[in-house]
Amino acid sequence: RKEVEQDPGPFNVPEGATVAFNCTYSNSASQSFFWYRQDCRKEPKLLMSVYSSGNEDGRFTAQLNRASQYISLLIRDSKLSDSATYLCVAQSGGSYIPTFGRGTSLIVHP
Amino acid sequence: ETGVTQTPRHLVMGMTNKKSLKCEQHLGHNAMYWYKQSAKKPLELMFVYNFKEQTENNSVPSRFSPECPNSSHLFLHLHTLQPEDSALYLCASSQDGPGAAKNIQYFGAGTRLSVL
Repeated sequence: RKEVEQDPGPFNVPEGATVAFNCTYSNSASQSFFWYRQDCRKEPKLLMSVYSSGNEDGRFTAQLNRASQYISLLIRDSKLSDSATYLCVAQSGGSYIPTFGRGTSLIVHP
Repeated sequence: ETGVTQTPRHLVMGMTNKKSLKCEQHLGHNAMYWYKQSAKKPLELMFVYNFKEQTENNSVPSRFSPECPNSSHLFLHLHTLQPEDSALYLCASSQDGPGAAKNIQYFGAGTRLSVL
């Protein structure tokens, strides 16, 4: 079975902290990778795609390590509003069917 | 608004009832999905439709019956459900095709279902 594994947390950090999540995927044919954010009792929404060379969007940085089959998400200068569940997604090349991880819960406290 | 609308937002039903969940997308996408999300469990893919054709049925019990009359509409017909079927049911759509951008999933707000 093709799986995506994430530490469910919760990660409990103070405002301003830097926090990193890792996610491993088992399907070596995976080509597309994403991080989604899901707020409590809401639907998941795309946070960012993950590119081979790594990419940054403001305080968020995503990295891909194909050799070890993991992706990471780094959040700098955490805000209270970053509190949510972060879902890792891997998708095979040529497939439109994604595999979601169970999510990592982040709680940012004052 | 993501362009994917689900109704109803909340549903309470008995085990002998028949109900339907509706999903509509206004994004011009080709692929539509049903997911189940239970507490403390990962998203479970249930069904996938691409250009109105069902391409994935993830061993879902027959008491869940999907219908996709066109690329913009997706239904999930429910009958004789069990209490363990209580969950958040999410609909999503994507463009499909090569390239990561076309694989991005756009979710509806979900239907929170309680089976008594």
